[in-house]
Amino acid sequence: GENVEQHPSTLSVQEGDSAVIKCTYSDSASNYFPWYKQELGKRPQLIIDIRSNVGEKKDQRIAVTLNKTAKHFSLHITETQPEDSAVYFCAASGLTGGGNKLTFGTGTQLKVEL
Amino acid sequence: DAGITQSPRHKVTETGTPVTLRCHQTENHRYMYWYRQDPGHGLRLIHYSYGVKDTDKGEVSDGYSVSRSKTEDFLLTLESATSSQTSVYFCAISGDRGDRNEQFFGPGTRLTVL
Repeated sequence: GENVEQHPSTLSVQEGDSAVIKCTYSDSASNYFPWYKQELGKRPQLIIDIRSNVGEKKDQRIAVTLNKTAKHFSLHITETQPEDSAVYFCAASGLTGGGNKLTFGTGTQLKVEL
Repeated sequence: DAGITQSPRHKVTETGTPVTLRCHQTENHRYMYWYRQDPGHGLRLIHYSYGVKDTDKGEVSDGYSVSRSKTEDFLLTLESATSSQTSVYFCAISGDRGDRNEQFFGPGTRLTVL
């Protein structure tokens, strides 16, 4: 099955700096890569996703890049703000007739310091 | 947030007792999923459903069963709860159109097995 590794497990940045979180996956058939943000005690919230036919996607201060050859994808957050502090999870899946079984990374605790 | 509710939100039970968690959606989405979240493991898929009465196992299905008798409800049952099943359980849903990749999560159920 799919295996997703995520690094770093913790990341501390100064407000206004950029943050980068990296994930690798093992199954070359995977073609969908979402990122979730989870605040303490809350549900995971989808913040951005990318499909395998796209190399990069941006949404305001957030961007995701995908390198299918190397089987890795990354989340980039620019101009970080205190409200960006949370746990971020990457995931990967391949579309099947049975829906979309996501395999998650183990998460990155991002702390944005004032 | 998508129309997803989970009940109960918190439960404390004893080893060996049966437990049923309920996920209810008002989005008429085809696919429903149960995940568990544990420190150091991220989210792991337990079971999923791709339609009424259509279910399949996920990554960590041992000790769990599910049922889906109508589109809006997906039940997760622990036949005989064990301490290793202490966790936070999240339900998720996704559609079956162009947006079927995107999974939206419920608020979670915190289960403690003593």
